[in-house]
Amino acid sequence: QQQVKQSPQSLIVQKGGISIINCAYENTAFDYFPWYQQFPGKGPALLIAIRPDVSEKKEGRFTISFNKSAKQFSLHIMDSQPGDSATYFCAASLPPSGAGSYQLTFGKGTKLSVIP
Amino acid sequence: NAGVTQTPKFRILKIGQSMTLQCTQDMNHNYMYWYRQDPGMGLKLIYYSVGAGITDKGEVPNGYNVSRSTTEDFPLRLELAAPSQTSVYFCASSYSTYYSGGAREQYFGPGTRLTVT
Repeated sequence: QQQVKQSPQSLIVQKGGISIINCAYENTAFDYFPWYQQFPGKGPALLIAIRPDVSEKKEGRFTISFNKSAKQFSLHIMDSQPGDSATYFCAASLPPSGAGSYQLTFGKGTKLSVIP
Repeated sequence: NAGVTQTPKFRILKIGQSMTLQCTQDMNHNYMYWYRQDPGMGLKLIYYSVGAGITDKGEVPNGYNVSRSTTEDFPLRLELAAPSQTSVYFCASSYSTYYSGGAREQYFGPGTRLTVT
């Protein structure tokens, strides 16, 4: 059972445009929602994260919008640049129980291509 | 700080062979993780550890084993390699305590690309 559904699978955006990637989750116990960016041949790296007590978080050109009632969150990349071309993963985490870790459940990823 | 390092970068195994993927972090993180990444499938958790001597299964543990004898090292062992284990393997680490406000950023290594034929 996939707990975090991500769309689209791939996205092509013109330079200067807005890139939007969407994720939906099922488990209302999730309490942390990060986005990771991965360049070819590299490991994922944290881009931005949000908790469900806020509806929006902005860091530079990157914004997470969070809709708790709809169980959806999205990443917006403003003024997209060719250097933003990468694969983006949304994820969600439960708070730990006992000695459990903050495990991340990842979406399947979106390959973003920003063309000049 | 080197962060999270993984060796080897690439490896080709024959069916039935065994190998150990090495992972080391120098950030004094208490949590460590192993993921596998298959095309179009995201990252799936294989095993994780909340500290030296403590490990637990993730979503896809079958065919793998781990140990955590030190804070820094978290090797992943493949026994009797199968073609289904062809994947890119990532090790990650994070630091969290009950009082850290749930800081949960995971730092990933560069990955090991494994092919089993």
